[in-house]
Amino acid sequence: QKEVEQNSGPLSVPEGAIASLNCTYSDRGSQSFFWYRQYSGKSPELIMFIYSNGDKEDGRFTAQLNKASQYVSLLIRDSQPSDSATYLCAVNTEYGNKLVFGAGTILRVKS
Amino acid sequence: EAGVVQSPRYKIIEKKQPVAFWCNPISGHNTLYWYRQNLGQGPELLIRYENEEAVDDSQLPKDRFSAERLKGVDSTLKIQPAELGDSAVYLCASSLEGRQGDYGYTFGSGTRLTVV
Repeated sequence: QKEVEQNSGPLSVPEGAIASLNCTYSDRGSQSFFWYRQYSGKSPELIMFIYSNGDKEDGRFTAQLNKASQYVSLLIRDSQPSDSATYLCAVNTEYGNKLVFGAGTILRVKS
Repeated sequence: EAGVVQSPRYKIIEKKQPVAFWCNPISGHNTLYWYRQNLGQGPELLIRYENEEAVDDSQLPKDRFSAERLKGVDSTLKIQPAELGDSAVYLCASSLEGRQGDYGYTFGSGTRLTVV
């Protein structure tokens, strides 16, 4: 079992819709969770982090965390074509003090 | 504030040749990471430095890869000899010591290596 798992997609949504990206992790002791956005040919860019169960909102982005289910998600409201990218989920493992990344979900927003 | 600076941006070499990548972290960041990202995959940690000390190199293929961080600032990652399977993007990142768990970290622009 991979430490961080994501559906590779592509996830296609129409412009203006809500995009929902999901991630599960295996290390129950993980404390912090991150979402990175990566455009084609570019390096990952941090867009959200969350530590506590529940929701955290930042503009059009909402991160959701459920530690009991070992599940973290990212919602993008009013999706725009410029949101089309690969979204990487990253988890800070309890051991090793490092970020472990999922393989990413490709998001395509169609105008 | 300048971000994490990496060079070169692109490198094409023949197999069995050596190659080196350079990284200059954000000023004041004493933790430095080298990640490798294969096509269609997430970044995977190769090595983590706290100042000059490599504190996690368990994923570094030590038969052909080496890294150094002299004076706890710039770092160099070397591959010798390169193999076809080493083709990937090599990413450097930095953070304040002990704070990567709090705020994540910032990546450089990466070096895209192609081994032919």
